[in-house]
Amino acid sequence: AQKVTQAQTEISVVEKEDVTLDCVYETRDTTYYLFWYKQPPSGELVFLIRRNSFDEQNEISGRYSWNFQKSTSSFNFTITASQVVDSAVYFCALRNTGTASKLTFGTGTRLQVTL
Amino acid sequence: GAVVSQHPSWVICKSGTSVKIECRSLDFQATTMFWYRQFPKQSLMLMATSNEGSKATYEQGVEKDKFLINHASLTLSTLTVTSAHPEDSSFYICSAVWRGSSYEQYFGPGTRLTVT
Repeated sequence: AQKVTQAQTEISVVEKEDVTLDCVYETRDTTYYLFWYKQPPSGELVFLIRRNSFDEQNEISGRYSWNFQKSTSSFNFTITASQVVDSAVYFCALRNTGTASKLTFGTGTRLQVTL
Repeated sequence: GAVVSQHPSWVICKSGTSVKIECRSLDFQATTMFWYRQFPKQSLMLMATSNEGSKATYEQGVEKDKFLINHASLTLSTLTVTSAHPEDSSFYICSAVWRGSSYEQYFGPGTRLTVT
């Protein structure tokens, strides 16, 4: 069975601080995809990144960066110089590489960025 | 591309009535759609997998007679909550799988259901 753990329930930071959201996963599959989604107060899920288990290179996109470490089954997400607009719930998710396979979501981390 | 819509975006209904939620893939064909439910401050929980032209596959603990899913075409799946009760109040989100993007799931904006 697959499992995604986001141990941080809520994080509060002051604007311009860096913040890292942790994600640890469990799977028996040898190939899989990992995801991060942002859910602002409006409720709509916003796709942030998909990472294939074969690709352990870290990725940076603007103020966002992701650290994938297969050895520790972790896929952490860092926001640099956080902004108020980053306030949202962030979900880490996992699915295998089969066609139309299910996503397993973590419980989410609520990030509050204040001025 | 890969836009998924849901209708309605929010609905209020009385206890005992039924309500239908539509999920449409606007610019691609989706052989598979998923339905999720999200209670306040909780994660998304998969309710069922909907395949075009066949019966939906429900997750354990989800009542198939209460949550009727119909995937009648490659662009439309519907979720009908029958005999709704206040505990069915939740945020319902669908996703559609696009074969053209390595079977990636694209999410709709969600439907907020309130049962009074």
